[in-house]
Amino acid sequence: GENVGLHLPTLSVQEGDNSIINCAYSNSASDYFIWYKQESGKGPQFIIDIRSNMDKRQGQRVTVLLNKTVKHLSLQIAATQPGDSAVYFCAENISGTYKYIFGTGTRLKVLA
Amino acid sequence: EADIYQTPRYLVIGTGKKITLECSQTMGHDKMYWYQQDPGMELHLIHYSYGVNSTEKGDLSSESTVSRIRTEHFPLTLESARPSHTSQYLCASSEYGDKKQYFGPGTRLTVT
Repeated sequence: GENVGLHLPTLSVQEGDNSIINCAYSNSASDYFIWYKQESGKGPQFIIDIRSNMDKRQGQRVTVLLNKTVKHLSLQIAATQPGDSAVYFCAENISGTYKYIFGTGTRLKVLA
Repeated sequence: EADIYQTPRYLVIGTGKKITLECSQTMGHDKMYWYQQDPGMELHLIHYSYGVNSTEKGDLSSESTVSRIRTEHFPLTLESARPSHTSQYLCASSEYGDKKQYFGPGTRLTVT
């Protein structure tokens, strides 16, 4: 299969525990952020998004937190499951443009 | 799940060959994108289209061209493949007014 993320930082968590994946974004003019999940051999899958006028947004088992002061984004996954094992990366969209800046990603490994 | 398709999924080709990577979406999205992703690295924008007959180059110069004759179709062509083109190519689309991008499964290209 694909070796996406050979040298990525890895987060290992026990099944059932909560996971927190962090991302530092680069551009103060970014006003929209997305978290993606990418499994081996597949394209990125949308998880959750947040606009800069919000600090927190919740989805099903996932929460995104945005700290604009320090340009930091985090993804929290509750009750992590084996199917959550993948590479997760954030993307920022610069206001008024079509451009997205993507992070390199974090590999999440769920231990049984 | 997004309805965006890419073919072929895997391609091994010799140096100097001309190749076209196909991308189609059935969602009627106006915007379509091509990204290049090396293992463990972030996505880089190669080309962007905001509608029929409208295309722009992205930040990464990949010596490729695109066309957008129909809304649903956004093929990427490499006139003369080189080993440096070996990478994964991801197509994405988004609806006008919505920043959420949906990705296809990707094409893994190897140029020998």
